[in-house]
Amino acid sequence: DTAVSQTPKYLVTQMGNDKSIKCEQNLGHDTMYWYKQDSKKFLKIMFSYNNKELIINETVPNRFSPKSPDKAHLNLHINSLELGDSAVYFCASSQDGQGARRNTIYFGEGSWLTVV
Amino acid sequence: GQSLEQPSEVTAVEGAIVQINCTYQTSGFYGLSWYQQHDGGAPTFLSYNALDGLEETGRFSSFLSRSDSYGYLLLQELQMKDSASYFCAVRDRSSASKIIFGSGTRLSIRP
Repeated sequence: DTAVSQTPKYLVTQMGNDKSIKCEQNLGHDTMYWYKQDSKKFLKIMFSYNNKELIINETVPNRFSPKSPDKAHLNLHINSLELGDSAVYFCASSQDGQGARRNTIYFGEGSWLTVV
Repeated sequence: GQSLEQPSEVTAVEGAIVQINCTYQTSGFYGLSWYQQHDGGAPTFLSYNALDGLEETGRFSSFLSRSDSYGYLLLQELQMKDSASYFCAVRDRSSASKIIFGSGTRLSIRP
């Protein structure tokens, strides 16, 4: 059973297009995230939602808009794609609570976005 | 703010032991986590230390010294499949839902 699943896995698109990445988790977690990993493998948090509410919105261009219809889903829509948006986007989730449980993030397999 | 530093690359021989260090600066501290990521794959959780000392899980161990703001991941009996990137991570106390990752250490294993 896939814990955190995201689609599509690969996406090649032209500059200026709009695209979406969908994410679902079946772990019953309360918090979901979007991370961006660039070519140097640096993992940077973009957004975090807790029970459908936006908790973290890092310095991300307005072209990126997350949407959480329920606590099991967190989608990412990107408008007017630019070359610099090419990266791997990871959806992730974690459980509320204390200790290891709260600090364990479960990642999806990643969505490889290439903007040409 | 928060920052984590770890070496960018480490090379080791199959069967040997390797230590990957991580130093952190935080305005508050909840604990230090470690993640493994193989090329083309997703990061996967390895360990979490909230208290000082060594936590052992099979061939992998993780150590934390809060007074030194320092931790390390110890990999023993290295296998070729351990070739991967390893990330340390902390939770930002100012924003409890934000988990920040270090820049990652690329571990290469030679036969």
